[in-house]
Amino acid sequence: ELKVEQNPLFLSMQEGKNYTIYCNYSTTSDRLYWYRQDPGKSLESLFVLLSNGAVKQEGRLMASLDTKARLSTLHITAAVHDLSATYFCAFHLGGATNKLIFGTGTLLAVQP
Amino acid sequence: DAGVIQSPRHEVTEMGQEVTLRCKPISGHNSLFWYRQTMMRGLELLIYFNNNVPIDDSGMPEDRFSAKMPNASFSTLKIQPSEPRDSAVYFCASTSLAGNTQYFGPGTRLTVL
Repeated sequence: ELKVEQNPLFLSMQEGKNYTIYCNYSTTSDRLYWYRQDPGKSLESLFVLLSNGAVKQEGRLMASLDTKARLSTLHITAAVHDLSATYFCAFHLGGATNKLIFGTGTLLAVQP
Repeated sequence: DAGVIQSPRHEVTEMGQEVTLRCKPISGHNSLFWYRQTMMRGLELLIYFNNNVPIDDSGMPEDRFSAKMPNASFSTLKIQPSEPRDSAVYFCASTSLAGNTQYFGPGTRLTVL
C-alpha cells in the first residue's frame, strides 16, 4: 500500500522552542517534498529533497531525507507564530509518473 | 508568471445541479493534476494529465465526476449531478514533465446544499 505517515498530526509549541516533524513513506522514492498550507489557503512548496542525505534549510525550517529508512524530517528551530500552518510531506511515485502521494499533514500551532 | 489559475474561487450550488470547475496551468507545464481536500479524507488526487492526455483517473470517485483537458492551457472538472458529499476544496496543480515541484492553484471551495 502506498502511504505516508506523518507524526505528530497536531503539534502545539511555544515560541522559541525546537521541534521535529517526521514523515515516513512506504516505498522507494527519488524525491520527497514538503509543503505548507495556511488556513483557507493553497499549498505552497517549501522543499524538494532529491537524494539520500539531502538537507535543505530556509529560515527556521530545515528538511532532511534518509531514503534507506524512508524517512524525512522537518526541523523547526526557535519557532515563531508565523510558522503556524499545516505541513504536508509527499513522495514521488517514481518512474514515468509525476504522481505524488501526500501525507495527512501536521497542524502546527505556535503559541506566543 | 501568474501561477495556476482556478475559477470560480467559491461555488455554492444545490444538490442535483451541474458544477464545472476550471483551471489554467502555468504556461509551459505539461502535467496537470486535480485534487480534492476535505477534513475527513485529507488531500486526494482525483486525476492527472500529461500533455493533455488523462493518465490516471483512479481517484475519480464515481461516474458523476469527469475531467477534460482540451488544450495545454485549460482543464475542467465537472460534477453532474452534484451531491452534498462533494462539498470540498478542489485544487488544480501543474508541473513540467521534467520538473520537481507541483504548483498549486488557489483552489475552488465548493458547497453543495
